[in-house]
Amino acid sequence: QQKVQQSPESLTVSEGAMASLNCTFSDRSSDNFRWYRQHSGKGLEVLVSIFSDGEKEEGSFTAHLNRASLHVFLHIREPQPSDSALYLCAVRGTGGYKVVFGSGTRLLVSP
Amino acid sequence: DTTVKQNPRYKLARVGKPVNLICSQTMNHDTMYWYQKKPNQAPKLLLFYYDKILNREADTFEKFQSSRPNNSFCSLYIGSAGLEYSAMYLCASSRDWGANTGQLYFGEGSKLTVL
Repeated sequence: QQKVQQSPESLTVSEGAMASLNCTFSDRSSDNFRWYRQHSGKGLEVLVSIFSDGEKEEGSFTAHLNRASLHVFLHIREPQPSDSALYLCAVRGTGGYKVVFGSGTRLLVSP
Repeated sequence: DTTVKQNPRYKLARVGKPVNLICSQTMNHDTMYWYQKKPNQAPKLLLFYYDKILNREADTFEKFQSSRPNNSFCSLYIGSAGLEYSAMYLCASSRDWGANTGQLYFGEGSKLTVL
């Protein structure tokens, strides 16, 4: 059964400094990865999707997938205080419907 | 319009009482999901509808019911709420069931507090 873990649990960075979040998964055949964000009291919004090894950039968000090492990273370029939120990694198996989430990294961007 | 709407946003319920949460989407998506989210835990899939077919997770099979009378609407029903049901309930929809590019569109959630 797919397991998804995120690290660190919480992260504080200064405004403008790169933030890097890590997600590990257990099923190497997975081919559908997304990063979502949840601001307090709000729903989840998708940030970036990636389906093959390498990098995918969406605005200030870059996902980096390495299935051999079972890692997918999220890098946030020049984060702003408004980027302070819970970041969730979501992994979906090949041909499946079930999306498994990690428990999230809480990011705080200080001015 | 890519919004998923949930009602109520906040629900207070007594132990043993029923709870009904409502979700709607106007994107004509095939699939609608319900997730349970507790603080510091990953969102947990409870069930989903693909068209009119309901699929419930094995470990929550008997705790939650759902209905989908039409493509746009989906409800989550708890027959007898317990303290452990206190959580945020997130509804999501997706157009590409089974396809690699399926993306979940989430509502803002219904926060249930059971006393």
